[in-house]
Amino acid sequence: EAGVTQFPSHSVIEKGQTVTLRCDPISGHDNLYWYRRVMGKEIKFLLHFVKESKQDESGMPNNRFLAERTGGTYSTLKVQPAELEDSGVYFCASSQVSRRNTEAFFGQGTRLTVV
Amino acid sequence: DAKTTQPTSMDCAEGRAANLPCNHSTISGNEYVYWYRQIHSQGPQYIIHGLKNNETNEMASLIITEDRKSSTLILPHATLRDTAVYYCIVSYGQNFVFGPGTRLSVLP
Repeated sequence: EAGVTQFPSHSVIEKGQTVTLRCDPISGHDNLYWYRRVMGKEIKFLLHFVKESKQDESGMPNNRFLAERTGGTYSTLKVQPAELEDSGVYFCASSQVSRRNTEAFFGQGTRLTVV
Repeated sequence: DAKTTQPTSMDCAEGRAANLPCNHSTISGNEYVYWYRQIHSQGPQYIIHGLKNNETNEMASLIITEDRKSSTLILPHATLRDTAVYYCIVSYGQNFVFGPGTRLSVLP
């Protein structure tokens, strides 16, 4: 069974450009989470989807970040326009919604570098 | 802020048991204790989680004190590949708050 898949693995863009990150959760997992680690900081929660609905987006840093999960399958995280401080590693995780306190599985992350 | 306190780093000899402590004195009644690890820059890897009973799986054992204010992750026979940063997280649901974790170095 495939795990959580993230694409691309690396992205280098210029300040002001737009980047879209994609996450494919484990099949059957309705919970989908985005996290990120910026340089020198801990991993931080960004938002949580249950199917296509945003359950909690309290961690989104500002309105330059837009997350979508149309159809409740894969999710995208768009950064527009990107700023230097957005550089970091963006992780996606998924889990079964039927069991709230079950394990969440993380993808390998997308390393974003804004120059 | 993370609700857990862990040592910054620990060493363990290869083949010996690694015991990683975690304090979570403000844990709520419905919060679980989760352990994840991160090897290099890979995504966090799930290890184990529990509510109040001790848990064991193929990777590790989790010992939670009766008052639930602390726990210990036990890797029974550490190998070089267990060198990683280990995160102890208390949470209801998976909106995790990660702290800095414990950097475990397994030495040959």
